[in-house]
Amino acid sequence: DIVMTQTPLSSPVTLGQPASISCRSSQSLVHSDGNTYLSWLQQRPGQPPRLLIYKISNRFSGVPDRFSGSGAGTDFTLKISRVEAEDVGVYYCMQATQFPPWTFGQGTKVEIK
Amino acid sequence: EVQLVESGGGLVQPGGSLRLSCAASGFTFSSYAMHWVRQAPGKGLEYVSAISSNGGSTYYANSVKGRFTISRDNSKNTLYLQMGSLRAEDMAVYYCARAGYGSPDTWGQGTLVTVSS
Repeated sequence: DIVMTQTPLSSPVTLGQPASISCRSSQSLVHSDGNTYLSWLQQRPGQPPRLLIYKISNRFSGVPDRFSGSGAGTDFTLKISRVEAEDVGVYYCMQATQFPPWTFGQGTKVEIK
Repeated sequence: EVQLVESGGGLVQPGGSLRLSCAASGFTFSSYAMHWVRQAPGKGLEYVSAISSNGGSTYYANSVKGRFTISRDNSKNTLYLQMGSLRAEDMAVYYCARAGYGSPDTWGQGTLVTVSS
């Protein structure tokens, strides 16, 4: 199975400031169909996970444009341009290129300083 | 509105069994593969099982293979997870999820399974 590694595991951020999370996969996530099935999920406290970004950089329906994804191959990044209070939670990268199974990063906790 | 609602969680003794259900609404259930993902208390996400849209193909994580069975009833728009020989390490919130865009685009609210004597 592909191993997903996130850094940092904790990210204290000042409101209004940017935040960035990195994710590295143990193998290339480029699928034979040409797509890269790398997604980012947000899990707010006490809530189920929620899809934020799919195929590296596509924002899912209803996701604010302060969230953006980038990267290629094995290295990916989620950026929040200006952190708001509602962004507190744990963020996971996950891959669906080599399925089954989906594999997830360990999670990065974003909290307000 | 696309919605998934899990049920069936609860307290079970080690070695016991439990069946989880996931009721789908707001989309054509029979067109989508469906998945179970779990999260132990305070831990990250762990992939458990998947089933194809027509139920003909299934997948299980090694940690549950031989003990859990995934199934679906497309006439009832419902996904199931039959869990047996439950262990302490199976204690978690179990989420069902739909995959769209190659990603889990819809999640249920989760159902808690507690394994304890």
